[in-house]
Amino acid sequence: KQEVTQIPAALSVPEGENLVLNCSFTDSAIYNLQWFRQDPGKGLTSLLLIQSSQREQTSGRLNASLDKSSGRSTLYIAASQPGDSATYLCAVRRGATNKLIFGTGTLLAVQP
Amino acid sequence: GAVVSQHPSWVICKSGTSVKIECRSLDFQATTMFWYRQFPKQSLMLMATSNEGSKATYEQGVEKDKFLINHASLTLSTLTVTSAHPEDSSFYICSASNLQGVKEYFGPGTRLLVL
Repeated sequence: KQEVTQIPAALSVPEGENLVLNCSFTDSAIYNLQWFRQDPGKGLTSLLLIQSSQREQTSGRLNASLDKSSGRSTLYIAASQPGDSATYLCAVRRGATNKLIFGTGTLLAVQP
Repeated sequence: GAVVSQHPSWVICKSGTSVKIECRSLDFQATTMFWYRQFPKQSLMLMATSNEGSKATYEQGVEKDKFLINHASLTLSTLTVTSAHPEDSSFYICSASNLQGVKEYFGPGTRLLVL
């Protein structure tokens, strides 16, 4: 059974810092991995999607990496801003038609 | 990206009543829609997967007679919580896909409070 864990559960940093969020999964046989952002009381916004054959994806100040063999992914946020404050979720999909398995989330607070 | 809406965004109801939540894909035809539940400070848990025109597939532990899902068209799926109880209070999120679930677009969520 796939289990997805995110560390840390919560993180507070001053504005401008670079930071790394971690995601680990127990079954390396995945189809893709996705990082989402969730603002309080809101739905999910997809940030980055990495296919199993890819090593990383970048969008603006965000960079996500994937190491299938070790069952890990990281989300790197450069030059953090207060507007980045949210909960970040990673999720993996086993196959093209399989469901997403979500991680436990990391609550990020960027202090101005 | 594709837009998915949910209605209502908030609902408060009395215990024992039924509540219907709508999920619409506004600019694409969703062959598959997913319903998730999220309890406070927890992650999303998939409740069921529905394909247009066929019966929904429920995850283990989710009562199909309590959570009725209808996916009658390519742009609309509904979740009805029947005889709601306080323990059903949660944040319900739908998502939609037109590529057999390869990429999902999430709705803004519906917060249900059962008194």
